[in-house]
Formats: sequence, C-alpha cells, structure tokens
Amino acid sequence: DIQMTQSPSTLSASVGDRVTITCRASQSINNWLAWYQQRPGKAPKLLMYRASTLEGGVSLRFSGSGSGTEFTLTISSLQPDDFATYYCQQYHAYPRTFGQGTKVEIK
Amino acid sequence: QVQLVESGGGVVQPGRSLRLSCAASGFTFSEYGMHWVRQAPGKGLDWVAVIWSDGNNQYYGDAVKGRFTISRDNSENMVYLQMNSLRDEDTGVYYCARDWGAAGTNMDYWGQGTLVTVSS
Repeated sequence: DIQMTQSPSTLSASVGDRVTITCRASQSINNWLAWYQQRPGKAPKLLMYRASTLEGGVSLRFSGSGSGTEFTLTISSLQPDDFATYYCQQYHAYPRTFGQGTKVEIK
Repeated sequence: QVQLVESGGGVVQPGRSLRLSCAASGFTFSEYGMHWVRQAPGKGLDWVAVIWSDGNNQYYGDAVKGRFTISRDNSENMVYLQMNSLRDEDTGVYYCARDWGAAGTNMDYWGQGTLVTVSS
C-alpha cells in the first residue's frame, strides 16, 4: 500500500500568515493527489485535485504543487475560515490512502 | 444540487452485521463512482471502499477486505455498505462520497455521515 505522510501534524498560525503543508508518498504517485479541508463536525471538502488543480468555488488563496512523491498545499493569507484540518489523498493505486492530517490552529 | 444522505448507522455488538445506505440526488448517478470513507472519533480519514459507476468493479481498504461489501442500485440512485463481523475498531462516522469521475479517483461531494458504534 502507498503510505501518505503529512507534516507538520499541527501548525499554529495567525490570520494573514502564509502556511505550507507537505505531503509525502512512499512511492511515486505522479500527480494523482487530492487535498481536502475538514472543519470540526463537518464532512471533508475537496480543495484540489491532480496536485495543483483548484476545485471550482475554492478560494484562490489555496494552491498546490508537486509531483512524484512530494507535494505541498499553500494558503497564501490565512483567513478565519481556514482554521481546520487538511488531508492529502492519493489515487494512483488501490487502496486509496489518506495522510494522517494537518491541523491548522490559531496562534 | 448534489445531495448524499447516509442512513443505517447505530449501535451494534461486536461480531454482528450492519448495512449502511446512501441516497444520491442532483446528478446522473450511473455516471459516477461512489466511495465510503470513515473516521474514528478524534482520528483521521480512512478510505473504506469504492464501486465504479457501472458496478462492475469494487475495491476495499485492507482493514475491511473480506468483511465489508459495497454495492449500488443505479435504478434507485443508492449505494450500500454491508458490514459483517464488526469490530470495536470499526466505530466511527461513515461518509458516502461521490467520485470525481467514473472509476475511483478523488471525492468531490460528501454526505453528512452516519455514526456506527460497535460496542458490547
């Protein structure tokens, strides 16, 4: 199975900060990677697919990059709604696998 | 608008069975793959299973393979998860999610989830 490892597990930041979350795959997944945002008590929301394609309706503050085994999700200027947990997910191979999550907290 | 509504969760004893349902609306159901994803209390997302749009292919996570079965009824716009031999570690919220395409990629719409508690 492909293991997905996110770092950091928790990130403390302030409104307006630029933040970056990293996701590493245990083997190459080309660019078959998605990012999700989950707010407490809510279902996940798709932010990005194919590593860098923004889902419709998602703020341009979010951007994604990477290919192969290393990927990043960047939030250019953190807003109050962005404090949430973020997950990466690979869809290169079965079983599909998620990273363990990165919680973005208010500093 | 796309809507996914899960049902069938509840409290069940270890070793017993439960069937979850997901009612889909607002899109052409037969053109999309469908996933189940779960989340244990306070934990991360765990992919459970996918069924392709035509129902001819199913894939499972390692933790549920051989115990869970995903199925769908394209005439009723429904997807199901039959869960057998339930274990304590199967406890969590189970989400139904639409695939971005027909064959199991990423998930673009999610239901609100249904809680399954496995406990004696």
